[in-house]
Amino acid sequence: QVQLQESGPGLVKPSGTLSLTCGVSGGSISSSNWWSWVRQPPGKGLEWIGEIYLTGSTNYNPSLKSRVTMSVDKSKTQFSLKLTSVTAADTAVYYCARVGVQWDLHYFDYWGQGTLVTVSS
Amino acid sequence: EIVMTQSPATLSVSPGERATLSCRASQSVSSNLAWYQQKPGQAPRLLIYGASTRASGIPARFSGGGSGTEFTLTISSLQSEDFAVYYCQQYNNWPPGYTFGQGTKLEIK
Repeated sequence: QVQLQESGPGLVKPSGTLSLTCGVSGGSISSSNWWSWVRQPPGKGLEWIGEIYLTGSTNYNPSLKSRVTMSVDKSKTQFSLKLTSVTAADTAVYYCARVGVQWDLHYFDYWGQGTLVTVSS
Repeated sequence: EIVMTQSPATLSVSPGERATLSCRASQSVSSNLAWYQQKPGQAPRLLIYGASTRASGIPARFSGGGSGTEFTLTISSLQSEDFAVYYCQQYNNWPPGYTFGQGTKLEIK
């Protein structure tokens, strides 16, 4: 059973950088999967941020692309998210998730519990 | 960007009854459509992928249908644990990306 766990600061100052890490256990981060970040502002819906493959290839949401960087550390079985120049609009619960793939179908089959990141001075 | 629109925003149904939730895509997504259930304070849980395939461990009372731009999630006989918010999600091959619907809250009538 794959398990994911987000970690990182719960409070970030405006104009600062949000940095989160997702630890993967119960499965290999080097398997043929994409690994993704999804966020949810309080009381609102889900927004995909981006995804990364074990080779380091990435795809980002165009609306966030200029501020997002993802990386993967296979030796530590974890992947990370950096979001720069944050504002209050970036306050959200941030989830990491595994992308399940069958043929050309892509969906999020395993999720972390989520971590609330608040942008405030 | 493909826009996903869910309806209704809120659906009130009695336990034991059938609930049907809708999701519409602004352009065809073929069968690249998934459904998730989210309860307060919890992460989303995958219910359906490929528009109609139940994920592992999902009860048979959950079924998905549709293709192209129109999709439905049906819960045949609502149990107390089914009252939650449901999201649809599409995947676009090029440029690669995912979008979610705004969610349907299923509440007890």
